[in-house]
Amino acid sequence: EAQVTQNPRYLITVTGKKLTVTCSQNMNHEYMSWYRQDPGLGLRQIYYSMNVEVTDKGDVPEGYKVSRKEKRNFPLILESPSPNQTSLYFCASSPWDGIIYGYTFGSGTRLTVV
Amino acid sequence: DQQVKQNSPSLSVQEGRISILNCDYTNSMFDYFLWYKKYPAEGPTFLISISSIKDKNEDGRFTVFLNKSAKHLSLHIVPSQPGDSAVYFCAANQGGGATNKLIFGTGTLLAVQP
Repeated sequence: EAQVTQNPRYLITVTGKKLTVTCSQNMNHEYMSWYRQDPGLGLRQIYYSMNVEVTDKGDVPEGYKVSRKEKRNFPLILESPSPNQTSLYFCASSPWDGIIYGYTFGSGTRLTVV
Repeated sequence: DQQVKQNSPSLSVQEGRISILNCDYTNSMFDYFLWYKKYPAEGPTFLISISSIKDKNEDGRFTVFLNKSAKHLSLHIVPSQPGDSAVYFCAANQGGGATNKLIFGTGTLLAVQP
């Protein structure tokens, strides 16, 4: 089954404790991206990657890091999480020229930073 | 500054009637527009898209209309079904077709009453 897999689904952590949210896709998509969803703000892009070793900032990159060492994986790293990073996070992928077909999203990771 | 706006946070419709979800945008450089549907505890799923060079695209019960002069698009669902109850996000692609940078609205919660 073609899918984007995120782990974990739920995570509660403490301020300052480094964490990684994993994202993997099995569709050989070139493009991957991370979004966060907050009430009243919709989905905002954090980082995106056009291909292996090519990443760029989205609209809200502060406090986040990403890497794209393999085509299928695009982990999101929070080096020192803070309470304002409490949010619902989505990973998404698409083919290089697939914007008209839309992204495929993962099921989401609900992160709480206390 | 919200470039893609969904001014109605919620909409309630009777089963069998038409649902109309609206979206306004400010950037005339957007070249593709998409609608996503999101159920609770799931990631958004792609519904339908439209190129900026078209004014209508239809897929089964779903039709998207684009009015470029008004910078407005709408999603029509006819007939509405209880399974259509979800949050609907409007999204716009910034830049060329291969850029794949989507900007999302804040979403509209559609409730279809049996």
